[in-house]
Amino acid sequence: DVKVTQSSRYLVKRTGEKVFLECVQDMDHENMFWYRQDPGLGLRLIYFSYDVKMKEKGDIPEGYSVSREKKERFSLILESASTNQTSMYLCASSLNGQGTDTQYFGPGTRLTVL
Amino acid sequence: DAKTTQPPSMDCAEGRAANLPCNHSTISGNEYVYWYRQIHSQGPQYIIHGLKNNETNEMASLIITEDRKSSTLILPHATLRDTAVYYCIVIVGGNKLVFGAGTILRVKS
Repeated sequence: DVKVTQSSRYLVKRTGEKVFLECVQDMDHENMFWYRQDPGLGLRLIYFSYDVKMKEKGDIPEGYSVSREKKERFSLILESASTNQTSMYLCASSLNGQGTDTQYFGPGTRLTVL
Repeated sequence: DAKTTQPPSMDCAEGRAANLPCNHSTISGNEYVYWYRQIHSQGPQYIIHGLKNNETNEMASLIITEDRKSSTLILPHATLRDTAVYYCIVIVGGNKLVFGAGTILRVKS
Protein backbone atom coordinates (compact mmCIF):
# COMPACT_ATOMS: atom_id res chain seq x y z
CA ASP A 1 0.00 0.00 0.00
CA VAL A 2 1.14 3.51 -0.77
CA LYS A 3 1.85 5.47 2.34
CA VAL A 4 1.99 9.25 2.36
CA THR A 5 2.50 10.85 5.73
CA GLN A 6 2.36 14.46 6.81
CA SER A 7 4.18 15.86 9.82
CA SER A 8 1.17 17.25 11.66
CA ARG A 9 -2.61 16.78 11.53
CA TYR A 10 -3.32 20.10 13.20
CA LEU A 11 -1.11 23.18 13.49
CA VAL A 12 -1.71 26.63 14.97
CA LYS A 13 0.70 29.44 14.11
CA ARG A 14 0.85 33.19 14.50
CA THR A 15 0.89 35.75 11.71
CA GLY A 16 4.42 36.33 10.45
CA GLU A 17 5.81 33.00 11.62
CA LYS A 18 7.74 30.76 9.25
CA VAL A 19 5.90 27.46 8.89
CA PHE A 20 7.24 24.13 7.63
CA LEU A 21 4.91 21.37 6.49
CA GLU A 22 6.59 18.08 5.74
CA CYS A 23 5.44 15.20 3.57
CA VAL A 24 7.05 11.80 3.21
CA GLN A 25 6.13 8.97 0.83
CA ASP A 26 7.49 5.45 0.99
CA MET A 27 6.77 4.18 -2.53
CA ASP A 28 9.72 5.64 -4.45
CA HIS A 29 7.38 7.94 -6.37
CA GLU A 30 8.88 10.51 -8.72
CA ASN A 31 6.13 13.13 -8.40
CA MET A 32 4.98 14.96 -5.32
CA PHE A 33 2.34 17.65 -4.97
CA TRP A 34 1.13 20.21 -2.47
CA TYR A 35 -2.52 21.29 -2.60
CA ARG A 36 -4.67 23.37 -0.36
CA GLN A 37 -8.37 22.74 0.09
CA ASP A 38 -10.86 25.39 1.11
CA PRO A 39 -14.66 25.25 1.34
CA GLY A 40 -16.26 26.34 -1.91
CA LEU A 41 -12.90 26.54 -3.70
CA GLY A 42 -12.10 22.87 -3.94
CA LEU A 43 -8.56 21.61 -4.36
CA ARG A 44 -5.90 24.05 -5.61
CA LEU A 45 -2.36 23.12 -6.61
CA ILE A 46 0.38 25.13 -4.91
CA TYR A 47 3.57 23.45 -6.12
CA PHE A 48 4.67 20.13 -7.49
CA SER A 49 7.94 18.35 -8.04
CA TYR A 50 8.79 15.68 -10.58
CA ASP A 51 12.29 14.94 -9.36
CA VAL A 52 14.71 15.67 -6.55
CA LYS A 53 15.60 19.36 -6.44
CA MET A 54 13.07 20.10 -9.18
CA LYS A 55 9.96 22.13 -8.56
CA GLU A 56 7.20 23.69 -10.59
CA LYS A 57 4.68 26.34 -9.62
CA GLY A 58 1.07 25.36 -9.49
CA ASP A 59 -1.90 27.67 -9.63
CA ILE A 60 -1.39 29.52 -6.34
CA PRO A 61 2.34 29.60 -5.42
CA GLU A 62 2.37 33.11 -3.95
CA GLY A 63 3.43 33.13 -0.32
CA TYR A 64 4.79 29.58 -0.49
CA SER A 65 8.03 27.85 -1.34
CA VAL A 66 9.01 24.19 -1.46
CA SER A 67 12.03 22.02 -0.99
CA ARG A 68 12.79 18.54 -2.27
CA GLU A 69 16.25 17.45 -1.19
CA LYS A 70 15.42 13.74 -1.10
CA LYS A 71 13.10 11.75 -3.32
CA GLU A 72 10.81 10.69 -0.52
CA ARG A 73 10.40 14.09 1.15
CA PHE A 74 8.66 17.24 -0.07
CA SER A 75 8.40 20.24 2.20
CA LEU A 76 6.07 23.21 1.93
CA ILE A 77 7.27 26.45 3.49
CA LEU A 78 5.19 29.46 4.40
CA GLU A 79 7.81 32.19 4.62
CA SER A 80 5.62 34.55 6.66
CA ALA A 81 2.30 33.04 7.56
CA SER A 82 -0.82 35.12 7.05
CA THR A 83 -4.41 34.56 8.10
CA ASN A 84 -5.49 33.87 4.51
CA GLN A 85 -3.24 30.82 4.56
CA THR A 86 -5.49 29.16 7.10
CA SER A 87 -6.50 26.03 5.24
CA MET A 88 -6.28 22.26 4.90
CA TYR A 89 -2.97 21.35 3.23
CA LEU A 90 -2.77 18.10 1.34
CA CYS A 91 0.31 16.36 0.05
CA ALA A 92 0.09 13.77 -2.72
CA SER A 93 2.52 11.59 -4.62
CA SER A 94 2.39 9.67 -7.87
CA LEU A 95 4.69 7.28 -9.67
CA ASN A 96 5.90 9.12 -12.75
CA GLY A 97 3.27 11.42 -14.25
CA GLN A 98 2.75 9.30 -17.32
CA GLY A 99 -0.31 7.54 -18.64
CA THR A 100 -2.53 6.31 -15.88
CA ASP A 101 -0.73 7.86 -12.95
CA THR A 102 -2.67 7.80 -9.72
CA GLN A 103 -2.10 10.41 -7.05
CA TYR A 104 -2.18 9.20 -3.45
CA PHE A 105 -2.84 11.64 -0.66
CA GLY A 106 -1.64 12.05 2.89
CA PRO A 107 -4.03 12.64 5.80
CA GLY A 108 -3.79 16.43 5.52
CA THR A 109 -2.61 19.20 7.84
CA ARG A 110 -5.20 21.64 9.07
CA LEU A 111 -3.31 24.89 9.57
CA THR A 112 -4.77 27.81 11.48
CA VAL A 113 -2.95 31.14 11.36
CA LEU A 114 -3.98 33.56 14.09
CA ASP B 1 -9.39 18.10 -18.43
CA ALA B 2 -13.06 17.44 -19.06
CA LYS B 3 -15.71 18.64 -16.64
CA THR B 4 -17.87 16.25 -14.64
CA THR B 5 -21.38 16.52 -13.22
CA GLN B 6 -22.47 14.65 -10.10
CA PRO B 7 -25.62 14.81 -7.97
CA PRO B 8 -25.00 16.87 -4.83
CA SER B 9 -26.14 14.16 -2.41
CA MET B 10 -27.45 10.62 -2.14
CA ASP B 11 -28.67 8.36 0.63
CA CYS B 12 -28.12 4.64 0.84
CA ALA B 13 -29.25 2.01 3.34
CA GLU B 14 -26.50 0.12 5.12
CA GLY B 15 -25.78 -3.20 3.45
CA ARG B 16 -27.25 -2.11 0.14
CA ALA B 17 -25.34 -1.23 -3.01
CA ALA B 18 -24.57 2.45 -3.46
CA ASN B 19 -24.60 3.56 -7.10
CA LEU B 20 -23.02 6.95 -7.68
CA PRO B 21 -23.45 8.43 -11.18
CA CYS B 22 -21.17 10.83 -13.00
CA ASN B 23 -21.60 12.58 -16.34
CA HIS B 24 -18.54 13.50 -18.39
CA SER B 25 -19.92 14.14 -21.86
CA THR B 26 -16.85 16.06 -23.10
CA ILE B 27 -14.34 13.38 -22.18
CA SER B 28 -11.57 12.91 -24.71
CA GLY B 29 -9.94 9.68 -25.81
CA ASN B 30 -6.89 9.81 -23.57
CA GLU B 31 -8.67 10.87 -20.39
CA TYR B 32 -9.23 8.45 -17.55
CA VAL B 33 -12.16 8.42 -15.15
CA TYR B 34 -10.96 8.50 -11.53
CA TRP B 35 -12.93 8.24 -8.33
CA TYR B 36 -11.76 9.50 -4.96
CA ARG B 37 -13.59 9.93 -1.70
CA GLN B 38 -12.98 12.16 1.27
CA ILE B 39 -14.19 11.46 4.75
CA HIS B 40 -14.63 14.58 6.85
CA SER B 41 -11.32 16.27 7.75
CA GLN B 42 -9.20 13.56 6.14
CA GLY B 43 -7.14 13.43 2.96
CA PRO B 44 -8.80 12.16 -0.24
CA GLN B 45 -8.65 8.42 -0.71
CA TYR B 46 -8.18 6.87 -4.15
CA ILE B 47 -10.91 4.35 -5.00
CA ILE B 48 -10.66 3.23 -8.61
CA HIS B 49 -10.04 4.41 -12.15
CA GLY B 50 -10.73 3.26 -15.71
CA LEU B 51 -10.41 4.21 -19.34
CA LYS B 52 -12.93 2.19 -21.36
CA ASN B 53 -13.57 -1.13 -19.69
CA ASN B 54 -15.40 -1.77 -16.47
CA GLU B 55 -13.10 -2.15 -13.49
CA THR B 56 -13.40 -3.82 -10.10
CA ASN B 57 -11.16 -3.81 -7.07
CA GLU B 58 -11.56 -4.62 -3.39
CA MET B 59 -13.33 -1.34 -2.71
CA ALA B 60 -15.68 -0.79 -5.63
CA SER B 61 -16.68 -1.35 -9.24
CA LEU B 62 -16.58 1.22 -12.00
CA ILE B 63 -19.00 0.96 -14.90
CA ILE B 64 -18.22 3.17 -17.91
CA THR B 65 -20.77 3.49 -20.71
CA GLU B 66 -19.72 2.46 -24.18
CA ASP B 67 -19.63 6.07 -25.42
CA ARG B 68 -17.64 7.00 -22.25
CA LYS B 69 -19.89 9.95 -21.58
CA SER B 70 -20.94 8.73 -18.17
CA SER B 71 -19.92 6.29 -15.47
CA THR B 72 -21.20 4.78 -12.23
CA LEU B 73 -19.26 3.94 -9.12
CA ILE B 74 -20.73 0.99 -7.25
CA LEU B 75 -20.04 0.23 -3.60
CA PRO B 76 -21.53 -3.25 -3.39
CA HIS B 77 -22.39 -3.38 0.31
CA ALA B 78 -22.31 0.10 1.78
CA THR B 79 -21.40 0.52 5.45
CA LEU B 80 -21.62 3.53 7.73
CA ARG B 81 -17.88 4.05 7.19
CA ASP B 82 -18.59 4.72 3.49
CA THR B 83 -20.30 8.00 4.38
CA ALA B 84 -18.13 10.57 2.59
CA VAL B 85 -17.90 12.99 -0.31
CA TYR B 86 -17.23 11.13 -3.55
CA TYR B 87 -15.42 12.87 -6.38
CA CYS B 88 -15.51 11.83 -10.03
CA ILE B 89 -12.60 13.28 -12.01
CA VAL B 90 -11.67 13.01 -15.65
CA ILE B 91 -7.98 13.50 -16.17
CA VAL B 92 -4.96 12.75 -18.24
CA GLY B 93 -2.46 10.93 -16.05
CA GLY B 94 0.02 13.19 -14.33
CA ASN B 95 -2.06 16.34 -14.48
CA LYS B 96 -3.15 18.19 -11.38
CA LEU B 97 -6.32 16.99 -9.76
CA VAL B 98 -9.31 19.29 -9.76
CA PHE B 99 -12.14 18.29 -7.46
CA GLY B 100 -15.62 19.57 -8.11
CA ALA B 101 -18.31 19.63 -5.44
CA GLY B 102 -18.69 15.86 -5.52
CA THR B 103 -21.57 13.76 -4.17
CA ILE B 104 -22.21 13.56 -0.45
CA LEU B 105 -23.12 9.93 0.21
CA ARG B 106 -24.92 9.30 3.48
CA VAL B 107 -25.18 5.67 4.49
CA LYS B 108 -27.95 5.14 7.01
CA SER B 109 -28.63 2.24 9.34
